This record gives sequence, C-alpha cells and structure tokens, in this order.
Amino acid sequence: DVKVTQSSRYLVKRTGEKVFLECVQDMDHENMFWYRQDPGLGLRLIYFSYDVKMKEKGDIPEGYSVSREKKERFSLILESASTNQTSMYLCASSPGTGDQPQHFGDGTRLSIL
Amino acid sequence: AQSVTQPDIHITVSEGASLELRCNYSYGATPYLFWYVQSPGQGLQLLLKYFSGDTLVQGIKGFEAEFKRSQSSFNLRKPSVHWSDAAEYFCAVGRIMDTGRRALTFGSGTRLQVQP
Repeated sequence: DVKVTQSSRYLVKRTGEKVFLECVQDMDHENMFWYRQDPGLGLRLIYFSYDVKMKEKGDIPEGYSVSREKKERFSLILESASTNQTSMYLCASSPGTGDQPQHFGDGTRLSIL
Repeated sequence: AQSVTQPDIHITVSEGASLELRCNYSYGATPYLFWYVQSPGQGLQLLLKYFSGDTLVQGIKGFEAEFKRSQSSFNLRKPSVHWSDAAEYFCAVGRIMDTGRRALTFGSGTRLQVQP
C-alpha cells in the first residue's frame, strides 16, 4: 500500500514564524500535492510538484512556498505565518501524469497564535 | 474553470436506509471524476473513480456512483448505510494545469451522520 506520511499531526506556531510542513511518500510517485482544508470550503490546492525541483502554483499559493529536493519528499513552507493560515493541511501523491487517484496523508492541524 | 458543487452540506440517515449524495461538476471535456471519504482525524480515502466506459461505477465499501453527462452529475449511492459510514464525503474532478499535468478540484464536502 502507498504510504504518505506527514511529519506532524498537530503543530502550534506563532505569528511571523517560518513554518515547515514535511511530507514523505514511499511509492516513487512523480506528483505530490499540498492542500488546505477548511470547513465549508473543501480542499483547496496550494502547490503541486510533478518532479524533483519542479512545481506549479495551485489556487491559493499566496503566503506559501514549496520545496522538492528529493522525489519522495515535499515540503510546504509558510514564510511568515499569519493567523489566517490556521488550518488543516493535507499532502497527497500520485503516479504518472496525474490521471491516477491521489493518496493522502492523515493531515497536519496547524494553529498560528 | 472547473468546479464541483455538493449541494448538501449535512445529511442524516438511519442505519440500514439508502443513501444518495449529490455532486455536480462543471468541465468542458469528458471529466475524470472521483469520490473520496474522510473519517474524523484521517486523510482522504478513495471510494471510486470514473474515467470512461460504463457510467455506473462500483467502489469499495458497497458504494457506487453514476455518471450522467446530460445532468453534469456524479452522484454517490449506497443501498444500506452502516454506522461506520458516518464521515465526510468529497467529490472531485480532474483538471489540467498549465504544465499539462492533472490536479483535482474538490467540492466542499457532505457530512454524513448515521442514526441508530
């Protein structure tokens, strides 16, 4: 089975801090995704990566950046955390050109105080 | 732009009753459609997918969905709901990004509550 592991289930940070969320997949998938999940809004795509060092902006990239130095690892970075970035963050991966279903991690609930 | 509408925010059914969750999409070409389920505190799990072919798709846990192009719908059904089906359900449509790669657009979700 595909396993997507997010490094933290819960994280509490302060406004202005630089925050790193880490995601690792073990199935050699080309594509990795970061979503933000908020009540009533479903999942919104922040960024995705289709290869090492390759990325594309999703629907809500403002305030975020990403890094993919190794195929199995995809990091989401909040450059200067703000309270409106308090949310659940979900990582996913998929093979090939992205036609196949995505496999999700269990999420990181991030609180910015 | 692609979009997905799940008109029911919250649905309550009795255990053993049938279930239908609605999903409408907006997409120019033949869509890739998915249903995912999220149990509390968990990530999303794929229930079923439609790419082409037979418009009635079978999934895991006894779920099925029917693609109706004329109605732009992909409704999820289950003939008899179990208490363990209580969760949030998300419909999603595949979309093509600037790089030609595919990503997903998700609906806002439907929370299912099951009464004993």
